[in-house]
Amino acid sequence: NAGVMQNPRHLVRRRGQEARLRCSPMKGHSHVYWYRQLPEEGLKFMVYLQKENIIDESGMPKERFSAEFPKEGPSILRIQQVVRGDSAAYFCASSPGTGNTEAFFGQGTRLTVV
Amino acid sequence: GEDVEQSLFLSVREGDSSVINCTYTDSSSTYLYWYKQEPGAGLQLLTYIFSNMDMKQDQRLTVLLNKKDKHLSLRIADTQTGDSAIYFCAESIYNQGGKLIFGQGTELSVKP
Repeated sequence: NAGVMQNPRHLVRRRGQEARLRCSPMKGHSHVYWYRQLPEEGLKFMVYLQKENIIDESGMPKERFSAEFPKEGPSILRIQQVVRGDSAAYFCASSPGTGNTEAFFGQGTRLTVV
Repeated sequence: GEDVEQSLFLSVREGDSSVINCTYTDSSSTYLYWYKQEPGAGLQLLTYIFSNMDMKQDQRLTVLLNKKDKHLSLRIADTQTGDSAIYFCAESIYNQGGKLIFGQGTELSVKP
């Protein structure tokens, strides 16, 4: 059973480009969470999704950021018109459901905006 | 509000015990977690404790929870150089799904 898979591991974008980060949850997991880790900081919650639904997006910046978790395929975190301040590590976690105690994390995507 | 605080650095000698501390503010925490992050890697769940427990032991790891003081600690016995990493405590809040609130991490340095 593969763990949470994120790709790409590293992504370099120029200012103004779009960044697409992908997360495939563990098999059997229908809940996905995205977190952002700025340099020298802890992880900050961004968004919580179930299949085809956004449950909690209270941590998402109001503009340029969006997330989806379609019925088929991975969850996507999309950042439009990236700026230098978007440079960070973006982690995805999955769990089977809200009652479960364990969320398993992917290896992260390290986004660098140049 | 929700806030989790940790000291930023801890240095110990190999073979000693390490104690990493964490305080949190939200009294409606359900579970509290310890994660380990090695350089350039993701987060590895080490252990977790339900909020109505006060202690949990798992091999070299001991978690102590003082709910009255909202204080959580992780003790690593016989610390090894391979334990050098950043350790994050995190809490999940009742009725907020599985969302986790993380501390800023404690960098543990183990010297031979």
